[in-house]
Amino acid sequence: AQTVTQSQPEMSVQEAETVTLSCTYDTSESDYYLFWYKQPPSRQMILVIRQEAYKQQNATENRFSVNFQKAAKSFSLKISDSQLGDAAMYFCAYRSARAGGTSYGKLTFGQGTILTVHP
Amino acid sequence: DGGITQSPKYLFRKEGQNVTLSCEQNLNHDAMYWYRQDPGQGLRLIYYSQIVNDFQKGDIAEGYSVSREKKESFPLTVTSAQKNPTAFYLCASSIRKTRTGLLTEQYFGPGTRLTVT
Repeated sequence: AQTVTQSQPEMSVQEAETVTLSCTYDTSESDYYLFWYKQPPSRQMILVIRQEAYKQQNATENRFSVNFQKAAKSFSLKISDSQLGDAAMYFCAYRSARAGGTSYGKLTFGQGTILTVHP
Repeated sequence: DGGITQSPKYLFRKEGQNVTLSCEQNLNHDAMYWYRQDPGQGLRLIYYSQIVNDFQKGDIAEGYSVSREKKESFPLTVTSAQKNPTAFYLCASSIRKTRTGLLTEQYFGPGTRLTVT
């Protein structure tokens, strides 16, 4: 079974600064997807960024980028030029890319990291 | 507008009563999912359905039931057998890429906060 671990329950950053959120995972599979979701106080889950394991290039989405280290099973999220609207709970999630199987399509989530942005 | 709707936003029930949470999507997505979120924890999968009239148990299915009679609807019933039903419930959906059968990322509804006393 896959597991996802976020070792930072809380992080804080000054507005306009950069912050990195950590995520590690455990899997025996070679093909999978990794995601970062954001959950603001409204509790709506919003997809921030995704990474395909077969791609060596790190994904980027505007101010959000990841550092994907497949051998180390590490998937960190870097938020540059932090904004007050970035304050939220951030979840790292894993999904198998293997077709078929009873757990296909299932997302496995980490425990989350609460990000506070100070003005 | 296309999206996933969950109703109601807040739901209160007495212990021993069954309650059904609604989830509707007009995105024409194939797969739908139910997750439970407890304070300070990540989401845990209750049930999921990849196609109409078919669904699979997730990690914490005990005390819950679902149906998938229509592509756009995936209601979740929290039965009296669920020992700790008070939680935040999130519904999600994703589209299947028909050529490869691969499911893409999941998109979430706004959630329902269920309180059982």
